Amino acid sequence: GAVVSQHPSWVICKSGTSVKIECRSLDFQATTMFWYRQFPKQSLMLMATSNEGSKATYEQGVEKDKFLINHASLTLSTLTVTSAHPEDSSFYICSARRSQGIYEQYFGPGTRLTVT
Amino acid sequence: AQKITQTQPGMFVQEKEAVTLDCTYDTSDQSYGLFWYKQPSSGEMIFLIYQGSYDEQNATEGRYSLNFQKARKSANLVISASQLGDSAMYFCAMRENTGRRALTFGSGTRLQVQP
Repeated sequence: GAVVSQHPSWVICKSGTSVKIECRSLDFQATTMFWYRQFPKQSLMLMATSNEGSKATYEQGVEKDKFLINHASLTLSTLTVTSAHPEDSSFYICSARRSQGIYEQYFGPGTRLTVT
Repeated sequence: AQKITQTQPGMFVQEKEAVTLDCTYDTSDQSYGLFWYKQPSSGEMIFLIYQGSYDEQNATEGRYSLNFQKARKSANLVISASQLGDSAMYFCAMRENTGRRALTFGSGTRLQVQP
């Protein structure tokens, strides 16, 4: 149990275009989902916290108009990178918070974004 | 604000030997959780072990154990009988037990197991 999927697993896009990444909790309902970004050889940095039915909470320094987050249901959150630039190239990982159990947070497999 | 420090950017260990990965943390919260994750080259985050701040005994999960020293604010991971498949990045993380309950990660340690 507690499986989280992400789609796509990798994507290449051109500068100026938008890319949507989906995060789904497959076998549990997630009231909260988190989006992290990881640059090569670096740690995971929290970008935003996504709550079902409400606006996402962004970390300091993360542009909310550039990284649009929608959490429309208890099993799906999406991250849209708008007007992508090469510096947005990174590994994006979501996690879903399960209300039961002490471990609570389950990670998706990640999406590798390359902007050319 | 929470902070996680991992001072070992890289570690080498011989196969079948034990290795300790260091992690110290800083928080003003009384209730928190400490986690260790393994990240192989594929990028997925694999949960290894959890320690609650009020747990009196050190957590163990198979070959993984967490050496929790609350007064020193350290939560070192011990891997016993290292295997070649243990080669990966290892991240220590802390979760606040109020509010967002998000994870704060350390900078990671790259472990290489040598045959």
